[in-house]
Amino acid sequence: AQSVTQLDSHVSVSEGTPVLLRCNYSSSYSPSLFWYVQHPNKGLQLLLKYTSAATLVKGINGFEAEFKKSETSFHLTKPSAHMSDAAEYFCVVSDRDFGNEKLTFGTGTRLTIIP
Amino acid sequence: GAGVSQSPRYKVAKRGQDVALRCDPISGHVSLFWYQQALGQGPEFLTYFQNEAQLDKSGLPSDRFFAERPEGSVSTLKIQRTQQEDSAVYLCASSLAPGGSREGTQYFGPGTRLTVL
Repeated sequence: AQSVTQLDSHVSVSEGTPVLLRCNYSSSYSPSLFWYVQHPNKGLQLLLKYTSAATLVKGINGFEAEFKKSETSFHLTKPSAHMSDAAEYFCVVSDRDFGNEKLTFGTGTRLTIIP
Repeated sequence: GAGVSQSPRYKVAKRGQDVALRCDPISGHVSLFWYQQALGQGPEFLTYFQNEAQLDKSGLPSDRFFAERPEGSVSTLKIQRTQQEDSAVYLCASSLAPGGSREGTQYFGPGTRLTVL
């Protein structure tokens, strides 16, 4: 079985400073990894995904993540936080058992932006 | 274009009632997934359809949960004899690619918040 561990349940940063949300994964296969964002009362939105192409993945809204197999990590970063980045972020691994792409979510990291 | 839609957005049920939750996937999407998100948790997989075939129902928590997608488009998740522990947000996602494709990005609906009293 595959799993992800989000190392911080809550991260607070000041507006304009860098963001780092940490994620480690466990996988028996070559994984597909994703970051999704969930704003209050809104649906989950895909930020970016890694599917064995380039290890540095760029996503929407200035976010990026680097796949590091040696560290089994897929940390999410952004150079400069914006107030609109305040949300819940989920690190996700695909589970290809049964030949489907069911997603296994981490427990989430709540990002707070301090004005 | 239209995304994944779900209805109702909110549902309150008395314990023991049956409920039906609807998901309209993006037109043409082959794969459809249901997830359950408890308060303060990440979503957890319930079941997966490829067209009308239910290929994986390993995440359904009990035999009170039943899902169908008879014509390969709209799907319904039914919960019989609801219990308080069923209170959660139920999310539907669809994907253009069939299961097993590494390029199959899942697009999520807004969810149905179920509260069982």
